[in-house]
Amino acid sequence: GESVGLHLPTLSVQEGDNSIINCAYSNSASDYFIWYKQESGKGPQFIIDIRSNMDKRQGQRVTVLLNKTVKHLSLQIAATQPGDSAVYFCAERPYVGNKLVFGAGTILRVKS
Amino acid sequence: NAGVMQNPRHLVRRRGQEARLRCSPMKGHSHVYWYRQLPEEGLKFMVYLQKENIIDESGMPKERFSAEFPKEGPSILRIQQVVRGDSAAYFCASSPSYKRQYAYNSPLHFGNGTRLTVT
Repeated sequence: GESVGLHLPTLSVQEGDNSIINCAYSNSASDYFIWYKQESGKGPQFIIDIRSNMDKRQGQRVTVLLNKTVKHLSLQIAATQPGDSAVYFCAERPYVGNKLVFGAGTILRVKS
Repeated sequence: NAGVMQNPRHLVRRRGQEARLRCSPMKGHSHVYWYRQLPEEGLKFMVYLQKENIIDESGMPKERFSAEFPKEGPSILRIQQVVRGDSAAYFCASSPSYKRQYAYNSPLHFGNGTRLTVT
């Protein structure tokens, strides 16, 4: 079946350092991947996305890397700030169909 | 410029009662998705609807759960005869038409959820 998983359930980083959150996915038919950020009591907030025909995409302070060979996705956050503390989810969308399959999430804690 | 609106934010029901969760999609969005999230877990897909049409309900429990998205008004997720295991956060998301989603923007925009507690 479809599954998306994360290597590390909790990540603690010092303010100003870079953060890397990893994700493994299993559905080779997925052609679109998204990272969401979820703060306490709120819904998931879109961060960045990437299609399967790309291996890297950059946004403001964030970069998503996709390695289809090993079915691995990562989110890099530059100069991590206290406001980045949240749970981060990767999600994949199979080519056929439109639902998103979410991973279990990684808690990012930023220490000041 | 309202986003996805869900109400109520918190809902408490006793075992055996019915729970009705409402979702109004973003303006211009015609597709609605419902997800359930247990504490410390990811979001699990439940159902995907267009106006007056269920597209994918592969994540819906076979009994007690139903969803609709009428021509007028919000989408409704209904849980009949609730049990304690139904306690969770239920999130709604919306998107524009399917074919347009392959543009480089967020495919799903989420509301802030309804937290259901069954006592």
